Amino acid sequence: GNSVTQMEGPVTLSEEAFLTINCTYTATGYPSLFWYVQYPGEGLQLLLKATKADDKGSNKGFEATYRKETTSFHLEKGSVQVSDSAVYFCALSISSGSARQLTFGSGTQLTVLP
Amino acid sequence: NAGVMQNPRHLVRRRGQEARLRCSPMKGHSHVYWYRQLPEEGLKFMVYLQKENIIDESGMPKERFSAEFPKEGPSILRIQQVVRGDSAAYFCASSPTLQVFDEQYFGPGTRLTVT
Repeated sequence: GNSVTQMEGPVTLSEEAFLTINCTYTATGYPSLFWYVQYPGEGLQLLLKATKADDKGSNKGFEATYRKETTSFHLEKGSVQVSDSAVYFCALSISSGSARQLTFGSGTQLTVLP
Repeated sequence: NAGVMQNPRHLVRRRGQEARLRCSPMKGHSHVYWYRQLPEEGLKFMVYLQKENIIDESGMPKERFSAEFPKEGPSILRIQQVVRGDSAAYFCASSPTLQVFDEQYFGPGTRLTVT
């Protein structure tokens, strides 16, 4: 089956530190990959996505590259801010008959301290 | 263009009661998905619906849970005879197409507490 494994949290960083959140996946076929962010008490918002191997998704200073050879989609940001504190979810979507659901990782809680 | 709407935002039910959760997709979106998020866990797919049809309910518990998306009105997730283990956040998402690379747009969620 399909699955997503995320680096376990929580992660605590100081402002302006470098961020990496690891994400690897298992899928039968060619998935599209997503990073979603969830702020306290809110729903999920799409942060970035990549739809084929070697694609790089980027948004708000965050980046992730679709690596087919290592089945990975690690999230990075060069300089985090306090406002980046949230839970980050890696997810995949794959075409399988009528199935269209997203498969999520368990989430990584990020706290950025001033 | 309003986003995905869910109501109520918070719902408290006693054990044995029924819970009804509503979701209005974004305008122009005909594909609706429900997910459940247990405390400190990721989201788990429950069901995928199009207007008047359940397409994939592989993540739905076999008993007490049902979902519908009528021709008119919001999608409804119904939980009968709730138990404490049903306490969770329930998120609805919608998408405009069936393309696997399209994002799903999420609502703010309904947080169900069973006492």
